[in-house]
Amino acid sequence: EVQLVESGGGLVQPGGSLRLSCAASGFTFSDYWLNWVRQTPAKGLEWVANINQDGSEKYHVDSVKGRFTISRDNAKNSLFLQMNSLRVEDTAVYYCARGGTSSTYWGQGTLVTVSS
Amino acid sequence: DIVMTQTPLSSPVTLGQPASISCRSSQSLVHSDGNTYLSWLQQRPGQPPRLLIYKISNRFSGVPDRFSGSGAGTDFTLKISRVEAEDVGVYYCMQATHFPTFGQGTRLEIK
Repeated sequence: EVQLVESGGGLVQPGGSLRLSCAASGFTFSDYWLNWVRQTPAKGLEWVANINQDGSEKYHVDSVKGRFTISRDNAKNSLFLQMNSLRVEDTAVYYCARGGTSSTYWGQGTLVTVSS
Repeated sequence: DIVMTQTPLSSPVTLGQPASISCRSSQSLVHSDGNTYLSWLQQRPGQPPRLLIYKISNRFSGVPDRFSGSGAGTDFTLKISRVEAEDVGVYYCMQATHFPTFGQGTRLEIK
């Protein structure tokens, strides 16, 4: 069974940092593109970043470029999102999702709240 | 960015009746490889999104055959042939031909 389990969310002050993790199981991790997608009631679903199978290609949405970095560790079946210089508008539930052109499986999400 | 516009935003449906959701993209979703990377996702209350349909019309593993997708270019449709109680939730179209973007969601509710 494919499983994606996010962790690392929490409450952080504006300007702070968090590192999200996504632990994967049930499939050959190194065969797939992976994504971070976030969701807020106001803006809905927003793709944040994705990374190819060996980590050599990474793409980030403009609103997080220079602040967030996606990475992966294929030996540990883990996906990461390093989030720096956090803003109030980064408050969201963050999901990891498997797949490049079709996000076939999603984790349960982790809540990030940026507030003073 | 590709803007995905869904209609309607809310759809009250009687159990056993059909439902249809439209999604229009601001640009063609035909990729240079010839594929059209348009997906439909379902999000039940309190749950993460779940893939229903990929590449316009392909049902994902385990998705009931009452769900179907169609369309081409910039106009796409998700149809549910006979709505069941478990279909309540929010439905999103998503394109991944360009940097991924999502529709704003259509809330399906039972009358």
